[in-house]
Amino acid sequence: NAGVTQTPKFQVLKTGQSMTLQCAQDMNHNSMYWYRQDPGMGLRLIYYSASEGTTDKGEVPNGYNVSRLNKREFSLRLESAAPSQTSVYFCASSPGLANYGYTFGSGTRLTVV
Amino acid sequence: EDQVTQSPEALRLQEGESSSLNCSYTVSGLRGLFWYRQDPGKGPEFLFTLYSAGEEKEKERLKATLTKKESFLHITAPKPEDSATYLCVLLGAPAASKIIFGSGTRLSIRP
Repeated sequence: NAGVTQTPKFQVLKTGQSMTLQCAQDMNHNSMYWYRQDPGMGLRLIYYSASEGTTDKGEVPNGYNVSRLNKREFSLRLESAAPSQTSVYFCASSPGLANYGYTFGSGTRLTVV
Repeated sequence: EDQVTQSPEALRLQEGESSSLNCSYTVSGLRGLFWYRQDPGKGPEFLFTLYSAGEEKEKERLKATLTKKESFLHITAPKPEDSATYLCVLLGAPAASKIIFGSGTRLSIRP
């Protein structure tokens, strides 16, 4: 099925470890996004990529880095994980930055102990 | 400050009992308001986009409306499969960096 694929679905990290969350879309969308979702709060934008070759900070970028590897793939890296980064992470894509019918992936549940 | 507030936080209805979910907002330069549905353990699923006051969109038992300060998601004769969290999302200007998600309304429909 067409859509946004995230890997892994679950991950437990120790404080200070690093990891990369992978995201790929097969809808030929130009724009991609990384969000985190915490209990009682709305989704918050970490980073986004308006088009291949560009990335920009969102609302909560500290502690994260991203790479837009090609038009399909957008990865999120935690260089030194902290307990405050325990969250559910969602990748999303849209045809363009001005077209906001996002398609979301199923999420990665990350726990940092 | 741009913000979006959804109410109630949770709503339990009997099957067939119609109701409305509220999304109040303040934003400088509204470019769009979106409704998403989120099932447990899954990513949000796009429902509607509203761009200007007075606009309405419908899909099956759901109808979204927009005023200059609020949006409502009306649910008519709901079924248990309508149980989910409904998210209101505000788009201000400039795009992407001004996307604000509400914290959602958890809707539960009892058979």
